[in-house]
Amino acid sequence: DAGVIQSPRHEVTEMGQEVTLRCKPISGHDYLFWYRQTMMRGLELLIYFNNNVPIDDSGMPEDRFSAKMPNASFSTLKIQPSEPRDSAVYFCASSNEVARGYGYTFGSGTRLTVV
Amino acid sequence: GEDVEQSLFLSVREGDSSVINCTYTDSSSTYLYWYKQEPGAGLQLLTYIFSNMDMKQDQRLTVLLNKKDKHLSLRIADTQTGDSAIYFCAFSSSGGSYIPTFGRGTSLIVHP
Repeated sequence: DAGVIQSPRHEVTEMGQEVTLRCKPISGHDYLFWYRQTMMRGLELLIYFNNNVPIDDSGMPEDRFSAKMPNASFSTLKIQPSEPRDSAVYFCASSNEVARGYGYTFGSGTRLTVV
Repeated sequence: GEDVEQSLFLSVREGDSSVINCTYTDSSSTYLYWYKQEPGAGLQLLTYIFSNMDMKQDQRLTVLLNKKDKHLSLRIADTQTGDSAIYFCAFSSSGGSYIPTFGRGTSLIVHP
């Protein structure tokens, strides 16, 4: 099992550009989570999906952020337009119904820098 | 205050024991976790403990839970330089759909 796979690992973009982050969860996991990590705010849950359906997006900071999960093996987090304050490390994590009380599996993250 | 509080830094000498502490607010917590984040990597689940347990030991790791004081600690015996990382405390409960609430993390620095 390759674990949770995120791409790209690093992204540098100019303010105002669209940014798309990608995540492939572990096969068989039906929960997928997007987190953002910054020095100022720590680890924040942005949104999570169950069976490809968004369950709670209350952590999405603004309408500039959107997330989709078109199928069980792929999810995207899009920022449009991007701003310097969006610079952070974005993590994807996945779990299944049985395991979710026992902790999640995180991807390696995407470090986003908006200049 | 925050739901999960941890000190930001801990510095220890190689070979000594490290104790990382955490306090949480949710008395209905069912699971309590310790995650480890190495530089440039995602969070990795180290260990977890059920709320009906007081202690859990796994090789060099010992987790202690004081439910009355809502205090969780992680002890690492014989700390090595490879243990240098950020350690996150988290808890979850059925009321929160088992979504973990994370602390800000404690940076453990191990020096020779």
